[in-house]
Amino acid sequence: GQNIDQPTEMTATEGAIVQINCTYQTSGFNGLFWYQQHAGEAPTFLSYNVLDGLEEKGRFSSFLSRSKGYSYLLLKELQMKDSASYLCAVKGGNTPLVFGKGTRLSVIA
Amino acid sequence: EAGVVQSPRYKIIEKKQPVAFWCNPISGHNTLYWYLQNLGQGPELLIRYENEEAVDDSQLPKDRFSAERLKGVDSTLKIQPAELGDSAVYLCASSLDSGTYEQYFGPGTRLTVT
Repeated sequence: GQNIDQPTEMTATEGAIVQINCTYQTSGFNGLFWYQQHAGEAPTFLSYNVLDGLEEKGRFSSFLSRSKGYSYLLLKELQMKDSASYLCAVKGGNTPLVFGKGTRLSVIA
Repeated sequence: EAGVVQSPRYKIIEKKQPVAFWCNPISGHNTLYWYLQNLGQGPELLIRYENEEAVDDSQLPKDRFSAERLKGVDSTLKIQPAELGDSAVYLCASSLDSGTYEQYFGPGTRLTVT
C-alpha cells in the first residue's frame, strides 16, 4: 500500500518563506504532486515531480528525493492568499493517485 | 475553457434517503474520477473511469454506492440509502487520460445526512 505523511498545520508570516514537507512509502513510483486547496474550494494543481531535484514555478518550488521518499513544497514571499491546505499526492506503480491528509497553512501579518 | 462542472453544490437529506450527484468533465477528457473528502482529510478515490469503463472501483462501497458514465462523458454517483457517515464533500475530477499527470477538480458537492 501507500503511506503519505505531512504536518497537519503550519503558521508563517507574510513575506516569509515556508517549507512544507511530505514523506511517502509506495509500491512503485510514477510521480509526486502538490495541490492547493482553499477552504470550501476544489484542489488545484501546483506541481509535479517524477525525477529527483527541484522544480521552480514562480513563488512556488517543489523538491523530490526518490531514494529518501521525501518531497517538500517551498513557498516564497508569502501572501495572505496563500493561506490554504496543501495536499501531497503520490502515484504508485499501478495504483491511482493517493493523497495525504494535507497541511493547513495559515499566513499571518 | 469550461472547468469540471458538478451539481448540486450542496445537498441535505435525511438518512435512508437516496441522493445523486452529477459531474460534467472538461471536454475531451477521457478519464473521470469520483473522490470523497472528509473534513481535514485528503481526497480518497471512489471510482475511476476510462471513457465509459469503470477501471478502478475497489474503494466504492458497492452495497449502497453506484456510479455510471454513459457515453463516456458526464457521470452520476448515487447513494441509496444514505447513512450519517456519508456526510462529506464528493469531488469529481478529470484528466486527458490516466497517464496524464494533471487532474482538474470540480467544486464538489457537500452532502449533509441528518
